[in-house]
Amino acid sequence: EAQVTQNPRYLITVTGKKLTVTCSQNMNHEYMSWYRQDPGLGLRQIYYSMNVEVTDKGDVPEGYKVSRKEKRNFPLILESPSPNQTSLYFCASSPGTGKEGSYEQYFGPGTRLTVT
Amino acid sequence: GEDVEQSLFLSVREGDSSVINCTYTDSSSTYLYWYKQEPGAGLQLLTYIFSNMDMKQDQRLTVLLNKKDKHLSLRIADTQTGDSAIYFCAERKGSARQLTFGSGTQLTVLP
Repeated sequence: EAQVTQNPRYLITVTGKKLTVTCSQNMNHEYMSWYRQDPGLGLRQIYYSMNVEVTDKGDVPEGYKVSRKEKRNFPLILESPSPNQTSLYFCASSPGTGKEGSYEQYFGPGTRLTVT
Repeated sequence: GEDVEQSLFLSVREGDSSVINCTYTDSSSTYLYWYKQEPGAGLQLLTYIFSNMDMKQDQRLTVLLNKKDKHLSLRIADTQTGDSAIYFCAERKGSARQLTFGSGTQLTVLP
């Protein structure tokens, strides 16, 4: 089954304790992206990757890191989490060429992170 | 201000039509999308429209695009309780891959 998976789905941690949220897709997609979802703000892009070893900042990159060593994986790293990073995080992937050029993005199920 | 704006809430009666509206600011938007998010789930693409189109229909869904006013709408005919969800409008600008999302509209379908 074609899908984007994220782990963990839920995480409660303390300020300053490094954590990694994994994201993996089995569709051989070139493009991958991380978003955070906050009430009333919709989804805001954190980082994205156009291909292996190519990453770039989105709209809200502060406090986050990513890496893209393999095509299928795109982990999100919080080196020193803070309470304002409490949010719902989504990973998404997109093919190199979409239907009619639409570049449909496929989303993972989300990771709910709480930083105390 | 926000690039993409939506009202936060909409309630309709089961069997009625729902119309969810969205405005965007960038005239270079090439594709506009509607995503659905059910409780506890990720986003699922419902439909999209290319910027040179005015309308797209897909079963119960009708998308209308007014480029002059930068206004996008999603009409759901014969709304069912299973349509209760958050609906996000998103735009893609030019040849970029990034999407800019609205804040989402919570649709509640009343019996």
